[in-house]
Amino acid sequence: GQNIDQPTEMTATEGAIVQINCTYQTSGFNGLFWYQQHAGEAPTFLSYNVLDGLEEKGRFSSFLSRSKGYSYLLLKELQMKDSASYLCAVSDSNYQLIWGAGTKLIIKP
Amino acid sequence: DVKVTQSSRYLVKRTGEKVFLECVQDMDHENMFWYRQDPGLGLRLIYFSYDVKMKEKGDIPEGYSVSREKKERFSLILESASTNQTSMYLCASSKSSDRVNGPQHFGDGTRLSIL
Repeated sequence: GQNIDQPTEMTATEGAIVQINCTYQTSGFNGLFWYQQHAGEAPTFLSYNVLDGLEEKGRFSSFLSRSKGYSYLLLKELQMKDSASYLCAVSDSNYQLIWGAGTKLIIKP
Repeated sequence: DVKVTQSSRYLVKRTGEKVFLECVQDMDHENMFWYRQDPGLGLRLIYFSYDVKMKEKGDIPEGYSVSREKKERFSLILESASTNQTSMYLCASSKSSDRVNGPQHFGDGTRLSIL
C-alpha cells in the first residue's frame, strides 16, 4: 500500500529551528510537496522537490532523498505565526497526491 | 492570486438529504479536486476533473457524485447524506501544465455536519 508518515505534533521555541520529517512508501514518485495549514484555513503551498537535495526559500527549506524515501521541512528563526499544521504529500506514478496526516507545530514564546 | 471559493463555510444537514457543495475558481484552471479532511488522517481524494464534463473517481467516491458543467465550477453531491460523511470538505484547483507537479490551490473548506 501507499503510506506517508510524519510526526503528529511538535513543539518549538520562538526564534529557534525545527525540522519536520516525512517518510513515504508510494507506487512511483513524481515529486514531494509541503503545504502549510493554519487552523480553520486552506492549505497553502510551501515547496516542491523532485530531485535529491535541499531547496531553500527564505526561512523555509525542504530536503529530499529519493533513495531513502525521506524528506524534511526546515523552519528557521521561528515566529509565532508559524504555528500551523504542515502537510507532506507525494505525487505517485499516476500523478495523484498521497497525503500525510500532517504535523501540528506549536510555537512557544 | 488564485481564488478558490467554496459556497459555505459551515453546513448542517439531516441524514438522507441530498447535499450540494459548490466550488468556483477564478484562474481558468483545468484541474479541480474534491477532498475530505478528517482528524488524524491525510486529505483523501473523493473525485477530480481534468476538464469540463470530465470526472474521475478518487480513493473514496462511494456515496458521492460530482458535476463539472463549466470550467470554473466543480460541484460535489452527497446523494443521501449519512453521519459518516460528517467532515471538512476541501476543493482545490490547478493548471493543466501543473498536473504533473502542482501546486494545487485550495478553498477555505466547508465543515459539514450530518445529523
